[in-house]
Amino acid sequence: QKEVEQDPGPLSVPEGAIVSLNCTYSNSAFQYFMWYRQYSRKGPELLMYTYSSGNKEDGRFTAQVDKSSKYISLFIRDSQPSDSATYLCAMAGGSTLGRLYFGRGTQLTVWP
Amino acid sequence: DVKVTQSSRYLVKRTGEKVFLECVQDMDHENMFWYRQDPGLGLRLIYFSYDVKMKEKGDIPEGYSVSREKKERFSLILESASTNQTSMYLCASNPGGYYEQYFGPGTRLTVT
Repeated sequence: QKEVEQDPGPLSVPEGAIVSLNCTYSNSAFQYFMWYRQYSRKGPELLMYTYSSGNKEDGRFTAQVDKSSKYISLFIRDSQPSDSATYLCAMAGGSTLGRLYFGRGTQLTVWP
Repeated sequence: DVKVTQSSRYLVKRTGEKVFLECVQDMDHENMFWYRQDPGLGLRLIYFSYDVKMKEKGDIPEGYSVSREKKERFSLILESASTNQTSMYLCASNPGGYYEQYFGPGTRLTVT
């Protein structure tokens, strides 16, 4: 079993929809949780960063962490065609020497 | 702004060639990472380095080596390129004690 599981999609939604992206993990030592966005033929860029459990909001994006269920989510409100990208979850904790454990990524398309 | 640069965006090499991929970061980060990214497999860690001349194997080090002679530069070496090493290669860095990583634009390597 991989340490981080993420449904690869693809996910296709109309403009304006609310998008929910999710990951599950198995390592209870993980305490740092990130979401990266990767446009086609580009490197991933950090989108959201949360520590431990709870919610974090940044504009149209909300990240949620439920450590009791080992489950994290990214919500995108009022989705736009410019949100079309691959979204990767990543997490770390314990003595991992700064390395991250990534999900496989979910490919999202928002159509006008 | 953190800047991670990679020496080439696209590279075509022949089977058996020795290939060097270069990565440079300008933020004095201690940690540097090399990943490969393949459809359906996500990001896989090849090697990482947490200090000059220090290196650790990631999850798929076979067929690769690395060099870090200066803090800002981390090189990935394919000793004898094979067709199964055709992939997108991504370099990343982060400061010591932190987990969020900053990625370069990637090098798409084709081995024929």
